[in-house]
Amino acid sequence: SQKIEQNSEALNIQEGKTATLTCNYTNYSPAYLQWYRQDPGRGPVFLLLIRENEKEKRKERLKVTFDTTLKQSLFHITASQPADSATYLCAPSSSSASKIIFGSGTRLSIRP
Amino acid sequence: KAGVTQTPRYLIKTRGQQVTLSCSPISGHRSVSWYQQTPGQGLQFLFEYFSETQRNKGNFPGRFSGRQFSNSRSEMNVSTLELGDSALYLCASSPHPTGPNTGELFFGEGSRLTVL
Repeated sequence: SQKIEQNSEALNIQEGKTATLTCNYTNYSPAYLQWYRQDPGRGPVFLLLIRENEKEKRKERLKVTFDTTLKQSLFHITASQPADSATYLCAPSSSSASKIIFGSGTRLSIRP
Repeated sequence: KAGVTQTPRYLIKTRGQQVTLSCSPISGHRSVSWYQQTPGQGLQFLFEYFSETQRNKGNFPGRFSGRQFSNSRSEMNVSTLELGDSALYLCASSPHPTGPNTGELFFGEGSRLTVL
């Protein structure tokens, strides 16, 4: 069955450094992959979508890569700030998917 | 443009009761998906509705049901509540049904259900 793995351990990063989060998937080939941010007690908020024919996508301080050979996506936040502290969820989806499935998320903490 | 609205935001029920949660999608969005989020299981897909039809259902017992109205508003119902149903219930809307052209999902703030 389809499986999505994200760092289960919280990630603690010094302010100003680059935070890198990993999303690995197995047993399927996503046509696109989304990243969301979720703050405690709030709904997830969409950040970026990358398709299988795109190796990299950027938005301001965010960068996402998609390696279909490694079955992995990396999510980078450069010049991290305490306000970036949140849980980040990935959602790889196949073109035939009839539902969007999310990874369990990685909690990121940026310390001043 | 108003976002996705979920009501109620918080509610407390006792075992055996039933609950109905409501979701109003963004204007013009015809797809509504429901998710259950718990600390141990993360975001679990419940079902998706598009144009009043259920397109897909997650691996949940029949106590969990939903519907969508002609104005795209959706409700979900949980009958015979169990302690394990305590969770944050999130709905998300999208202009299109889940598929190859799916873009981002727009989530509401959720309904926090506590079952005692």
